[in-house]
Formats: sequence, C-alpha cells, structure tokens
Amino acid sequence: AQSVTQLDSQVPVFEEAPVELRCNYSSSVSVYLFWYVQYPNQGLQLLLKYLSGSTLVESINGFEAEFNKSQTSFHLRKPSVHISDTAEYFCAVSLPGGYQKVTFGTGTKLQVIP
Amino acid sequence: DTAVSQTPKYLVTQMGNDKSIKCEQNLGHDTMYWYKQDSKKFLKIMFSYNNKELIINETVPNRFSPKSPDKAHLNLHINSLELGDSAVYFCASSKGAANTEAFFGQGTRLTVV
Repeated sequence: AQSVTQLDSQVPVFEEAPVELRCNYSSSVSVYLFWYVQYPNQGLQLLLKYLSGSTLVESINGFEAEFNKSQTSFHLRKPSVHISDTAEYFCAVSLPGGYQKVTFGTGTKLQVIP
Repeated sequence: DTAVSQTPKYLVTQMGNDKSIKCEQNLGHDTMYWYKQDSKKFLKIMFSYNNKELIINETVPNRFSPKSPDKAHLNLHINSLELGDSAVYFCASSKGAANTEAFFGQGTRLTVV
C-alpha cells in the first residue's frame, strides 16, 4: 500500500524567508501526489497536485512542489512566506484511477514568525 | 454559499450516548466522504459514497453508520460513544474520485466525556 512521510512536525520560519516542507512517499507503482493546507479551525483545501506531466507544479499563492521519482519526494517550497501562510500542511498520495482512497501524511505545522 | 457544510460544529456528549453529524454539499458532486482527524492531526478516511453507494469502508467499528439519503447528503451516526471517539470529523466531497480534488467541510469537533 502507498504511504507518505512528513518528517517535520513543525517548521518555524521568519516572515519573508524561504521555506521547504518535506514529503516522501512509498509506492511500488505510479502515484498521484497532493499538498493540502488546513488553516486554524477550518477544513483542508487543496494547494496543488501532481497527476502526470511536468514534475514542477505551482499554486496560485506562490507555493510550488517538485515530483522527484528517483528520490520518491514531493517537497513543498515557497521563496518568501507571509504571516498568512501559518497553517498545517498535509502531503497526500493515492493511486491513479477512479475511486482510490487518498492517504494523508501526519502534517507539518508551518509557523511564520513576524 | 458554503460548499460543504457540517452540523453541528461542536458536539460534547457523554459516553454511551448516540449522536449524529450531518453533512450537505451544494457543489453537485457525486462522491462524499467522512474523515476522522485525531488529536495529533492524523487524518484517516472512514467511508466514501458515490451516488449513494458505499465504495470505501475502512476498518471502522460497527458503531459508526453512514447514511446517504441522496447525492448531496452524507450523515454519520455513532452509537454507544466511547472516549476514543473524541476527534474532529470532516465531511468532504469530490466530483468523481477523491484523487482529483476533495472539498472539505469545516469539521465537527466531537468530545466524549
């Protein structure tokens, strides 16, 4: 079965500094990969996803993630964070095709320090 | 204009009680889900319905029974509540499979005392 590992439970970073949130996946077959964000007291929102094609995917608010098959990674990056980026970030994986369940990582709390 | 709405937002109840959480989506999606998020933020799928048919049923105690009266609603009924059921329960929906994009409700924080 496929799984994801987020090694960092918390990542503190100063405002306007760059950040990388790490995600590694485990699967013997091709996978879909996702990053979801959860703001305080809210549900999860899709930030970006990799299904196929270009290995670099971007979100509308400046985040990007790169699918690296050889390293089985899908790290999330942003060159300059804002206070409003403070949230919990979840990496997730699923198999391609219809009605496959999505397996979430344990989350990384991004704390942006003014 | 809430896309996925759950009620109630907070639920505090005693052990042994039976409670229900309701979920409605107005996105026209045909697939709905229940997820459980524990105190360590670990999120795990419980059930998935497509067009009112159960398609994913993870290892969940029989005390949990989902009901989907129509495509826009997926309710969760829990019998004989236990302390370990305390968690945040999220409803979600997607157009087709979850492995495209799932839209989540704001969650129901269930506390069993």
